[in-house]
Amino acid sequence: GAVVSQHPSRVICKSGTSVKIECRSLDFQATTMFWYRQFPKQSLMLMATSNEGSKATYEQGVEKDKFLINHASLTLSTLTVTSAHPEDSSFYICSVVLVSYNEQFFGPGTRLTVL
Amino acid sequence: QKEVEQNSGPLSVPEGAIASLNCTYSDRGSQSFFWYRQYSGKSPELIMFIYSNGDKEDGRFTAQLNKASQYVSLLIRDSQPSDSATYLCAVTGTASKLTFGTGTRLQVTL
Repeated sequence: GAVVSQHPSRVICKSGTSVKIECRSLDFQATTMFWYRQFPKQSLMLMATSNEGSKATYEQGVEKDKFLINHASLTLSTLTVTSAHPEDSSFYICSVVLVSYNEQFFGPGTRLTVL
Repeated sequence: QKEVEQNSGPLSVPEGAIASLNCTYSDRGSQSFFWYRQYSGKSPELIMFIYSNGDKEDGRFTAQLNKASQYVSLLIRDSQPSDSATYLCAVTGTASKLTFGTGTRLQVTL
């Protein structure tokens, strides 16, 4: 399977600040990456699809101006949570997809806590 | 609305027994079906995928798919304490988008 890294693994920030999360595909080039959010004891919810070289596609109810996604290269996508609030505290997970097999492989996740 | 439903559990099985995890989905257009394992505080790990009706075996794991009944299951043979985790069922249609169930928590007891 694909090897995916995320940085940072854990971040604590003050309300109103912005936080950038990086997702890297380490062993293959990913034209598509996905960003998910998972609240405690809930399942993963897809936030957006990150497409290399073009704008991300956001799911209904996800504010594109609050969650900025940049897929600048075939191995890196970033998610920036702007003007974070305590309700944004969650586990953010990215994934890459092997198109030939439609399989998704997840990064280790980033736990965001907004004070 | 596309839905994937799982019993939240916990499902408790003794060590060495067979654990049976079930999942139903509402979208008849779903094409690919996945089982992920998620340990507490960690991200999901792909266990198996299945595309065609019938059974698919991989080691101690067997995935079963019945598209007519819109049902997919995961059997874990010879359950081990290390199998204790939340198991997420996920399905895709086109565009590789995964829709997840809420997961079933499995507890393997000694």
